[in-house]
Parts: sequence; C-alpha cells; structure tokens
Amino acid sequence: EDKVVQSPLSLVVHEGDTVTLNCSYEVTNFRSLLWYKQEKKAPTFLFMLTSSGIEKKSGRLSSILDKKELFSILNITATQTGDSAIYLCAVLSSGTYKYIFGTGTRLKVLA
Amino acid sequence: DTGVSQNPRHKITKRGQNVTFRCDPISEHNRLYWYRQTLGQGPEFLTYFQNEAQLEKSRLLSDRFSAERPKGSFSTLEIQRTEQGDSAMYLCASSYLDRGDTEAFFGQGTRLTVV
Repeated sequence: EDKVVQSPLSLVVHEGDTVTLNCSYEVTNFRSLLWYKQEKKAPTFLFMLTSSGIEKKSGRLSSILDKKELFSILNITATQTGDSAIYLCAVLSSGTYKYIFGTGTRLKVLA
Repeated sequence: DTGVSQNPRHKITKRGQNVTFRCDPISEHNRLYWYRQTLGQGPEFLTYFQNEAQLEKSRLLSDRFSAERPKGSFSTLEIQRTEQGDSAMYLCASSYLDRGDTEAFFGQGTRLTVV
C-alpha cells in the first residue's frame, strides 16, 4: 500500500532558528512530491519536486528530493512566527493520479 | 476565478441525519478530489473524479458515503445516517491533469460535527 511518512510530528522552535522537515515515501509509480502549508483551513501549495537533486527555493523555504532514497526535506531558515503551521507532504502517483498525504509536521515558532 | 469553493463551511447535525456538501472546483480543472481530515492527521483520500467519471473510491469509505459530479463541474458528497465518527473536516481539491505535473488546489473545507 502506498505510504507517506513525515517526521517529526511536531516541532517547537524560536524565531530565527532553522528547521528541517522530513518526508519519506513508498509509492508505486511515483510521479512527483508536493509540499503544502496548512495554517487554518485549506492547504496552500509550496513546492512540487519531480527530479532528484534539484533544489526548489522560495524565499526562506527550500526543498529537495532524493528519488533513490525515497525522501524529501523541506528547510525553513530564519523562522518567523508566521511560519507556524502544519506542513504536509504529498506524493502524486502516475498510475492513479491520486495525491497521497502524510500526517504532517506541526511547526510552532515562538517569538 | 476565485478558486475552489466549498459549501457549507460548517455543518452541525444530529446522529442519524443525512448531510450533503458541495464543491465547485476551478472552472477548467478536470480532476476533483475529496479528502477527509481529522485533528492531528493529514488529508485522507476519499474519492476522485476525472470529468464526470468517478475513478476511485477509498475502500475505507463505507456505503453511507456517496459522491457525484454530474456534469463534470461541481461535485456533491453525501453522508447518510451520520455517525459521531464522521465528524471531521471534508476537503475538496481540483487539478488539471493534462498540463503535466500539477498541484491540487484546495477549498476551505466543510467542518462537520455530528452530535
């Protein structure tokens, strides 16, 4: 069965810290991996990764995929209180084109 | 286009009642997904459509759940004889498959509380 596992489940840091969130997967017919941020209701899209070793970057956030080891990391540098959210990892399967989500990492950034 | 729209935003119902939720996807999107999310968990796949065809339904979904997308545009999710365990956030998402790799866009969700 397809599976996406995220770690840690929760994390508390202080403003200015750097955090690394992990996502590993076991999915048949992998197509792409996506990161979302969920603050209150709707998850909002951050990154889509399809190729190994190519870093995607947006401001203080960056992400990279390792298709050989089947994992991805999301880095957030110089964290701010506005980064407090649940970060979701999802994998898109090319067989079914279904997004399979992990349980998420709940990040809390303290002022 | 204002994105994916879900109605109602909140629903409180008594156990045993039927409820129906609506999702209006982004207009040109041909894929529509329903997910359920409970506290501390990621979105759990329920079902999805390509145009009007329902392509997959989670085996975790009981027969009390049914979804339709009659004209390949909006979709409805009905839960019959609700149970307290159905209390959750129900999320709808849409995407456009034929544009290669693409992200799913989510609605604000419908929070269901069964009392």
